[in-house]
Amino acid sequence: DIQMTQSPTSLAASVGESVTITCLASEDIYGSLVWYQQKPGKSPQLLIYGATILEDGIPSRFSGSGSDTQYSLKINSLQPEDFASYYCQNGLSTPYTFGAGTKLELK
Amino acid sequence: EVQLVESGGGLVQPGRSMKLSCAASGFTFSDYYMAWVRQAPKKGLEWVASISYEGSSTYYGDSVKGRFTISRDNAKSTLYLQMNSLRSEDTATYYCARRDVYYGLGYFDFWGPGTMVTVSS
Repeated sequence: DIQMTQSPTSLAASVGESVTITCLASEDIYGSLVWYQQKPGKSPQLLIYGATILEDGIPSRFSGSGSDTQYSLKINSLQPEDFASYYCQNGLSTPYTFGAGTKLELK
Repeated sequence: EVQLVESGGGLVQPGRSMKLSCAASGFTFSDYYMAWVRQAPKKGLEWVASISYEGSSTYYGDSVKGRFTISRDNAKSTLYLQMNSLRSEDTATYYCARRDVYYGLGYFDFWGPGTMVTVSS
C-alpha cells in the first residue's frame, strides 16, 4: 500500500498570512494527489485533484504543486473560513490512502 | 444539486451486524463509482470500500475485507454497506462519497454528511 506522510500535524497562523502543507508519498504516484478541507462536524470538501487542478468554486488562494512523491498545498492570504483540517489522498490506486491530516489553527 | 444522505448508523454490540444506506440524488447514479470512507472520533480519514458502476467490481480496505460488503441498487440510486462481525475499532462516522476520475486518478468530489456507528457493549 502507498503510505502518505503529511506535515506538519498542526499549524498556527494569522489571517492574511500564507501557509504550506506538504504530503510525501511512499512511492511515485505520478501526480495522482488530492487535497481535501474538513471543518469541524462537517464532511470533507474536495479542494484540488491531479496535484494542481482546483475544483470548481474553490478560491484561487488555494494552490497545489508537486510531482513524483512530494506534494504541497499552499494557501495565500488566509481567510477566517480557511482554519480547518486538511488531508491529502493518494488517488493512483486502491487502497486510496489518506495522510493523517494537518490542523490549521488561528494564532 | 448532488445530494448524498447516509442512514442506518447507531449503537451496536461487538460481533453484531449493521447495514448502512446512502440515498443519492441530483446525478445519474449509475455513471459513477461510489465509495464509503470512515473517520474514527478525532482521527483521520480511512477509505473503506468502493464499487463499480453496475456493482460487478468491489474493492475493500484490509481492515474490513471479509467482514464488510459494499453493494448498490442503481434503480433506487442507493449505496449500501453491510457490516458484519463489528469490532470496537469500527466505531466511526461513515461517509458515502461519489468517486470521480481524471485520467485514472480517483478522487471523491461529493460527500454525504455521514452517519455515526458506535460499536460498544
